[in-house]
Amino acid sequence: DAGVTQSPTHLIKTRGQQVTLRCSPKSGHDTVSWYQQALGQGPQFIFQYYEEEERQRGNFPDRFSGHQFPNYSSELNVNALLLGDSALYLCASSLYWGNEQYFGPGTRLTVT
Amino acid sequence: EDKVVQSPLSLVVHEGDTVTLNCSYEVTNFRSLLWYKQEKKAPTFLFMLTSSGIEKKSGRLSSILDKKELFSILNITATQTGDSAVYLCAVAYSGAGSYQLTFGKGTKLSVIP
Repeated sequence: DAGVTQSPTHLIKTRGQQVTLRCSPKSGHDTVSWYQQALGQGPQFIFQYYEEEERQRGNFPDRFSGHQFPNYSSELNVNALLLGDSALYLCASSLYWGNEQYFGPGTRLTVT
Repeated sequence: EDKVVQSPLSLVVHEGDTVTLNCSYEVTNFRSLLWYKQEKKAPTFLFMLTSSGIEKKSGRLSSILDKKELFSILNITATQTGDSAVYLCAVAYSGAGSYQLTFGKGTKLSVIP
């Protein structure tokens, strides 16, 4: 049973560029949540997707957007990258009416 | 503003010691409290607590929730070097349907031989 997978594992971008990160949820899960984890901090909630719609959103600007596909996989897009966007981006999958969220290995984004 | 506070932020112990990690919270629409272990990248799930006073155990790890005083503790007995990690506490809250997690900053545990 495959767990949560994310790609790519590492990414280096320049300020002002755009980036797309990808996540495939654990088999049987229908909900994907995205988190940003800066160095030395706990993960911060960005948004959550269920039935291809954004259901909840944290305190992040509109430069952060996402999408969920019919197979439940998801993308996180960040436009106009800033140095402060450098972080580990974690995807977590769950059942919408469930309790536990399971995390993927993350994508390390470095903005130079 | 919803918040989760963990203490201590870092801890160094010797193998065999027992440690207690603390997590206090203030959130509206509390649903559950979760503990995760983060060694390199992916936080791995340890416990989910929803009811006060009921201890959850898994091997040398145990955790309990106090919903009146709004805190939880995670105990690790007979620590091993493999327990070295960042331990994250998260609180789940929401309205109907699914939920989002608010995390504390984590406690970095270092176990030395």
